[in-house]
Amino acid sequence: SQQGEEDPQALSIQEGENATMNCSYKTSINNLQWYRQNSGRGLVHLILIRSNEREKHSGRLRVTLDTSKKSSSLLITASRAADTASYFCATDESGGGNKLTFGTGTQLKVEL
Amino acid sequence: NAGVTQTPKFQVLKTGQSMTLQCAQDMNHNSMYWYRQDPGMGLRLIYYSASEGTTDKGEVPNGYNVSRLNKREFSLRLESAAPSQTSVYFCASSEYLGPPEQYFGPGTRLTVT
Repeated sequence: SQQGEEDPQALSIQEGENATMNCSYKTSINNLQWYRQNSGRGLVHLILIRSNEREKHSGRLRVTLDTSKKSSSLLITASRAADTASYFCATDESGGGNKLTFGTGTQLKVEL
Repeated sequence: NAGVTQTPKFQVLKTGQSMTLQCAQDMNHNSMYWYRQDPGMGLRLIYYSASEGTTDKGEVPNGYNVSRLNKREFSLRLESAAPSQTSVYFCASSEYLGPPEQYFGPGTRLTVT
């Protein structure tokens, strides 16, 4: 079964705006990761946040994690057309041995 | 340094035919994974190999077998393809005890008619 549920399913914004997508999960985790998938391509790792961290930044990306609510959010600031892709959260469950469980993804479209 | 490579890129099978999807990585990773991706479903783990010589079932293993041929290569076999196995298949690799992020291949788009 899917561990992560993401919302929104689809998001369309203008270039320069910020994009926020959310992920909820069900069980205890070691860490939560975000991946990007361009159309017709494999997934690319973006950022990882450990269960004892609350917020993490990488360039234009900001990830938050609330383990009490079992939720995470990914914020992309000053979006660009090149950010158009699907974004997936993935959870590494406690005792899961690096096995990831992926959410259903958010399709982001950034328009010029 | 090619990362994770997969062959073939596309394949069409008839129901009941068999085939093997090949995956290789050149990053000296211990762990390798096979996923399938269906529309609106995200990725689901079929099988994984935590290290050379071990394989374990994931969430959706029925109808598939795997072989960890050596540290570099991890193949996925469909013995008798069914239309329900129409999907995009991704191979990935990662360190076993190191950074947990996974590196993905470009995928194989399989259609079973």
